[in-house]
Amino acid sequence: GIQVEQSPPDLILQEGANSTLRCNFSDSVNNLQWFHQNPWGQLINLFYIPSGTKQNGRLSATTVATERYSLLYISSSQTTDSGVYFCAVPADRGSTLGRLYFGRGTQLTVWP
Amino acid sequence: GAGVSQSPRYKVAKRGQDVALRCDPISGHVSLFWYQQALGQGPEFLTYFQNEAQLDKSGLPSDRFFAERPEGSVSTLKIQRTQQEDSAVYLCASSPGQGLGYTFGSGTRLTVV
Repeated sequence: GIQVEQSPPDLILQEGANSTLRCNFSDSVNNLQWFHQNPWGQLINLFYIPSGTKQNGRLSATTVATERYSLLYISSSQTTDSGVYFCAVPADRGSTLGRLYFGRGTQLTVWP
Repeated sequence: GAGVSQSPRYKVAKRGQDVALRCDPISGHVSLFWYQQALGQGPEFLTYFQNEAQLDKSGLPSDRFFAERPEGSVSTLKIQRTQQEDSAVYLCASSPGQGLGYTFGSGTRLTVV
């Protein structure tokens, strides 16, 4: 299956700092999603970004499909940004349906 | 409903006991997925339904695991003769299809003692 690697595994920031999370994947994909898992375990979809750049408030994401990586940018981090960030790609690169392969995540802790 | 609802939120089972985990997807979502998340890991796929049809069950770790969605809405994941390695959070997600709008439930944390 497709390998998904995320870095760094852990990130500790002070409130207000900026950060970049990276996701590398081993094969071409036509779909990539970023999720945030909050401390209560809820997985929230942040971005659906097969290519290009999207922004949503203090968060933005860029996927360079030809080079098989995606970046998630968090600006002016807040304590509520704490949690685990996952990227996920579909198992079937010819489809946007079906199972997803997740990375192991980046554990982000933001201190006040 | 407004979101994906899973019950129970927590389950403690004695080794060898059977358990049943329930998932209520968002109304009208045709796709439903089950994932298993071990501590410190990303979610791993278990099985996938489109309406009532189970299209992919390749992620089920053994024949002790069984999932159903008989009317194309509510789904149940059943684990027979639970073992300690089954301890994990079991996540359910639904989607209207076409790979868009994945919504996850809060999960069921299963602890086998």
